[in-house]
Amino acid sequence: DAGVIQSPRHEVTEMGQEVTLRCKPISGHDYLFWYRQTMMRGLELLIYFNNNVPIDDSGMPEDRFSAKMPNASFSTLKIQPSEPRDSAVYFCASSLSLGESNQPQHFGDGTRLSIL
Amino acid sequence: SQQGEEDPQALSIQEGENATMNCSYKTSINNLQWYRQNSGRGLVHLILIRSNEREKHSGRLRVTLDTSKKSSSLLITASRAADTASYFCATDQGDKIIFGKGTRLHILP
Repeated sequence: DAGVIQSPRHEVTEMGQEVTLRCKPISGHDYLFWYRQTMMRGLELLIYFNNNVPIDDSGMPEDRFSAKMPNASFSTLKIQPSEPRDSAVYFCASSLSLGESNQPQHFGDGTRLSIL
Repeated sequence: SQQGEEDPQALSIQEGENATMNCSYKTSINNLQWYRQNSGRGLVHLILIRSNEREKHSGRLRVTLDTSKKSSSLLITASRAADTASYFCATDQGDKIIFGKGTRLHILP
């Protein structure tokens, strides 16, 4: 049973470049989440989708960040242009439900992003 | 804003000892979850406890929830080297789940 798959695992690029992170959620999961993890700020929710529709993007730090979910099996997080302060580990997670019937979130192994 | 706060931030214990981590939160919840994160990996769900539950067990894990004090604890009994990881509590805030900053647990051989 494949879990959440993220690519690439590592990305090193120069500031100003466009960065695209990819995620394949677990089949059948209706919710997809993008998180950013840093030592200073911990794990921050950036955006989440329900049935491919963005529900809450209040955690997206700036207009340089955008996320899409064109279908149930694929999502992207794009940073354009990238800046050194965007360096972090970015996680994608998926789950069956939220709210009172909250189901566990299943995380990918993340993309470690370094912007030089 | 941070909903759950773990305590302590870091904990080192001898293998075989019990490890206790605490989580405090600010607003009422429907449920609380604990996750583990090994170095370089994603978070892994350990256990979910609902607001009408006071205690839950899973193998060597024991979770308690005190809604009057807005706190939870995670106890790992008979710790092993493989338990070395960061542990996070997560609480529901509306439709979102908010994670704390975690407790780094180190099991000494």
